[in-house]
Amino acid sequence: NAGVTQTPKFQVLKTGQSMTLQCAQDMNHNSMYWYRQDPGMGLRLIYYSASEGTTDKGEVPNGYNVSRLNKREFSLRLESAAPSQTSVYFCASTLGASAKWNFGPGTRLLVL
Amino acid sequence: AQTVTQSQPEMSVQEAETVTLSCTYDTSENNYYLFWYKQPPSRQMILVIRQEAYKQQNATENRFSVNFQKAAKSFSLKISDSQLGDTAMYFCAFMTPIDGWSSNYQLIWGAGTKLIIKP
Repeated sequence: NAGVTQTPKFQVLKTGQSMTLQCAQDMNHNSMYWYRQDPGMGLRLIYYSASEGTTDKGEVPNGYNVSRLNKREFSLRLESAAPSQTSVYFCASTLGASAKWNFGPGTRLLVL
Repeated sequence: AQTVTQSQPEMSVQEAETVTLSCTYDTSENNYYLFWYKQPPSRQMILVIRQEAYKQQNATENRFSVNFQKAAKSFSLKISDSQLGDTAMYFCAFMTPIDGWSSNYQLIWGAGTKLIIKP
């Protein structure tokens, strides 16, 4: 039982490059989330997926797209990276209102 | 807007002392969950303690306990007999429906308190 896994752990991009952050969970959770963490701020919700086949915007969706590939996987794509997207990205999953949240180890992204 | 405020950006105490981290929040919900998470330098988010709002009894987990004041919307974390391994960022968060009516939930986070335990 690996919980929530994320790849890569660290990535450096140049402005304008694209990349996809991968997230997978093996707990059969319905809901999956992408958050970003910036210095001096709490985590902010980028996108979420309440179930396979559905995705919705969170607080800070601009510049990102997501795909809920199946129940296990939820990817985050940056089509044209900007320095403002330099951050640590966390994937999380939960089973509805169970209040049991699982977090991935985070991806540190640096956009130059 | 629902918010979480952690008024102490950084705190420092000696090993074995007791320290209290403060958290206030704003919500119109009546039932919700509150959390404290620890984030060490490894960046992993580790659940410290969870409190359900309708339960009046304060949650405890070994050396960690909370003082939950629902009317005041206050949720402080007390760490007793602090240890060097407690050095980390601590985040307060609460769980709330994303749309106010749906069964989809999110966590609203405070900005965090950096806790340093000195030997």
